Amino acid sequence: EPEVTQTPSHQVTQMGQEVILRCVPISNHLYFYWYRQILGQKVEFLVSFYNNEISEKSEIFDDQFSVERPDGSNFTLKIRSTKLEDSAMYFCVSRGNNEQFFGPGTRLTVL
Amino acid sequence: EDQVTQSPEALRLQEGESSSLNCSYTVSGLRGLFWYRQDPGKGPEFLFTLYSAGEEKEKERLKATLTKKESFLHITAPKPEDSATYLCAVSSGGGADGLTFGKGTHLIIQP
Repeated sequence: EPEVTQTPSHQVTQMGQEVILRCVPISNHLYFYWYRQILGQKVEFLVSFYNNEISEKSEIFDDQFSVERPDGSNFTLKIRSTKLEDSAMYFCVSRGNNEQFFGPGTRLTVL
Repeated sequence: EDQVTQSPEALRLQEGESSSLNCSYTVSGLRGLFWYRQDPGKGPEFLFTLYSAGEEKEKERLKATLTKKESFLHITAPKPEDSATYLCAVSSGGGADGLTFGKGTHLIIQP
């Protein structure tokens, strides 16, 4: 069964550093998303991406965040200057029909 | 603004003891209601999508139902491996919109 993959599984960084989280969505899917989940809190929508551009973004997705599909298969989330409050699990999601399939997540720890 | 409220927050059952989890929602035009299962440290695993009031879907010991204001996830004769956090989410509007999640119900099935 096709699945979403994410790398790395765990990323530790210093406050102010840039991080790039990578995802390989399910092939033939057209819609891609990033969500995050701070420890003990609900899953939160960050951004949706379709046809090589952002379709929708939440209030969380400010100028420090950016997304890209550089080569037609990978899908990346970049945080330019990390803050302590960016520590969370980040999930890449791939959508087929109306069902959103989550990847295993990248645990980002900002020190 | 879409809102999703799940209850109870936590539920402890004996193996074989059936019960229901509740998801109340407020949306401007429901496009779909989703149930996910999340194990600790993992990404949410898709279970069901419901689209209209009166719809029901089943998978093994799980059955999801939908009304105009809430959804129920019924668990029949649960087993310890059903222990997880069950998440409810809604999608509203059109296009590639993000999901709004509830906080989840943490279910523990004791042998």
